[in-house]
Amino acid sequence: QKEVEQNSGPLSVPEGAIASLNCTYSDRGSQSFFWYRQYSGKSPELIMSIYSNGDKEDGRFTAQLNKASQYVSLLIRDSQPSDSATYLCAVIVLKGRDNRKLIWGLGTSLAVNP
Amino acid sequence: GAVVSQHPSWVICKSGTSVKIECRSLDFQATTMFWYRQFPKQSLMLMATSNEGSKATYEQGVEKDKFLINHASLTLSTLTVTSAHPEDSSFYICSAMTADTQYFGPGTRLTVL
Repeated sequence: QKEVEQNSGPLSVPEGAIASLNCTYSDRGSQSFFWYRQYSGKSPELIMSIYSNGDKEDGRFTAQLNKASQYVSLLIRDSQPSDSATYLCAVIVLKGRDNRKLIWGLGTSLAVNP
Repeated sequence: GAVVSQHPSWVICKSGTSVKIECRSLDFQATTMFWYRQFPKQSLMLMATSNEGSKATYEQGVEKDKFLINHASLTLSTLTVTSAHPEDSSFYICSAMTADTQYFGPGTRLTVL
């Protein structure tokens, strides 16, 4: 089992719809979770971080964390064509005493159709 | 806040030459910086973790003598691709960490002829 898993997509949604991106992780001790967006040919940019169970909202973006089920999701409301990108999930896992490592999912490609 | 710069943004060099890429955290100090490589339509690949004042930790399969990393200050890390070959052509991206969060530089596109 991969440490961080994402559906590669592509996920295609119409403009104005809600896009739902999911990520599961294997390490129950993980404490920090991140969503990054990467446009083609560009470097990743941080969208949201989440540390506690529940929802965290920032504008059109909502991150949801469920530690019991070991998943973290990203909802994008009122999707726009400019949201078309690859969304990367990243999780900090403990690799030993005082050794924390950021593990990346392979990303989900999102296409928002006008 | 949390801005990371990279220089150069792109470079073209001849096979056999060395190329140095700089990564700077502009508005924060980063004890840890990371170097990634990304080939077209592929995922990010972590090359090494760079800690200020100590030797970098390289991921399995990454040649430390070919990809020299120096992290001499809390705001600067450099990656030198030595004796570059066409197969080293890629998108090199650095990130700097603060408070458990990584912020990425804009990347350097390297083309080796």
